[in-house]
Amino acid sequence: NAGVMQNPRHLVRRRGQEARLRCSPVKGHSHVYWYRQLPEEGLKFMVYLQKENIIDESGMPKERFSAEFPKEGPSILRIQQVVRGDSAAYFCASSPGQGLNTEAFFGQGTRLTVV
Amino acid sequence: AQKVTQAQTEISVVEKEDVTLDCVYETRDTTYYLFWYKQPPSGELVFLIRRNSFDEQNEISGRYSWNFQKSTSSFNFTITASQVVDSAVYFCALSEDGTGGFKTIFGAGTRLFVKA
Repeated sequence: NAGVMQNPRHLVRRRGQEARLRCSPVKGHSHVYWYRQLPEEGLKFMVYLQKENIIDESGMPKERFSAEFPKEGPSILRIQQVVRGDSAAYFCASSPGQGLNTEAFFGQGTRLTVV
Repeated sequence: AQKVTQAQTEISVVEKEDVTLDCVYETRDTTYYLFWYKQPPSGELVFLIRRNSFDEQNEISGRYSWNFQKSTSSFNFTITASQVVDSAVYFCALSEDGTGGFKTIFGAGTRLFVKA
């Protein structure tokens, strides 16, 4: 039973390029969450998606960042025109839904370095 | 508003010492989960424990133990007889069962150094 898979594990981009981070949730999970961890800080919530819908994007920067979770395929976090301040670890989590006995499982993260 | 506070930024102990990592949380929900995660130098998040708000029983798992006190909104983590391999950043986190799904709020983390 594969857990949350994120790829790539490490991504290097030059300033101004686009970064695409992928997250395949646990099989059967329809809820995906993205978090960002800046160096020496805790994880900060970015966005919560269900299949084809953005439920809560209160933690997403207003510009350059977007996320999707299509009906088929992985969830994608897209960062356009990256800047050095985007360098961080980006974690994805998935859950089967809501309810007292469900929980979110985290992937291993993608480390983005902007040079 | 939800908030998780880990007041200890860094702790340094000598191997075999016991160490307690503090965690204080704030929430208005009656149904919520508390977590501890370990982040070793390799960077991944390692799940350690989940506690729901209706279960205040303390838990012990090997050298790890957790003390959940709803009266003081605390969920402290103790490592007994620490080892060098315990050196990592430890995060306490809170997740509420609501319309936000399982959006998780993390504390800032406590970096633990265990010296040989």
